[in-house]
Amino acid sequence: ILNVEQSPQSLHVQEGDSTNFTCSFPSSNFYALHWYRWETAKSPEALFVMTLNGDEKKKGRISATLNTKEGYSYLYIKGSQPEDSATYLCALPDSSNTGKLIFGQGTTLQVKP
Amino acid sequence: TAGITQAPTSQILAAGRSMTLRCTQDMRHNAMYWYRQDLGLGLRLIHYSNTAGTTGKGEVPDGYSVSRANTDDFPLTLASAVPSQTSVYFCASSERGFTDTQYFGPGTRLTVL
Repeated sequence: ILNVEQSPQSLHVQEGDSTNFTCSFPSSNFYALHWYRWETAKSPEALFVMTLNGDEKKKGRISATLNTKEGYSYLYIKGSQPEDSATYLCALPDSSNTGKLIFGQGTTLQVKP
Repeated sequence: TAGITQAPTSQILAAGRSMTLRCTQDMRHNAMYWYRQDLGLGLRLIHYSNTAGTTGKGEVPDGYSVSRANTDDFPLTLASAVPSQTSVYFCASSERGFTDTQYFGPGTRLTVL
């Protein structure tokens, strides 16, 4: 089974701080990488799907980069707000034949006002 | 549009009893998935279906069965529940491809006593 690792496991920052966290994966047989945002007591919501080495995606204050050669993706949040508090998941498909995703354990972000 | 609905919202079940968790989507997505969420383990795939009439095993299929008689419905059955199946269960759907976003239902919280 594909090994998807996220670090750190949890993160506490002050409102206004910028932060970033990492998703690591095997660089061989890469197909795509998904980032999801998961608020407590809600369902995971998609942020980005990334497919190309060097890809950079942005949605508001959140951006992500992808390095498929070295097997990592960074998620950045600029000027964190309390509403950014959530668990951020990355996931990769284990083959090109299906949409079956293998999820990392997530990074839980807590932004203090 | 409802998206994905799950029922029940929560359930307490006696060990040894059977139960079916229901999942319905109205997006005409080809693929559907069942995950369980456990503290420290993230989202783990139980079973999936790439298209109506087909199903496949995920990471943790033991003790669960699924069927996909039509495009919209993907029920998950626990034939004889055990306490280790206490978890939050999420259903998801996607078009099918490995770059397609998965859309998640609201979850079912199941407690097996």
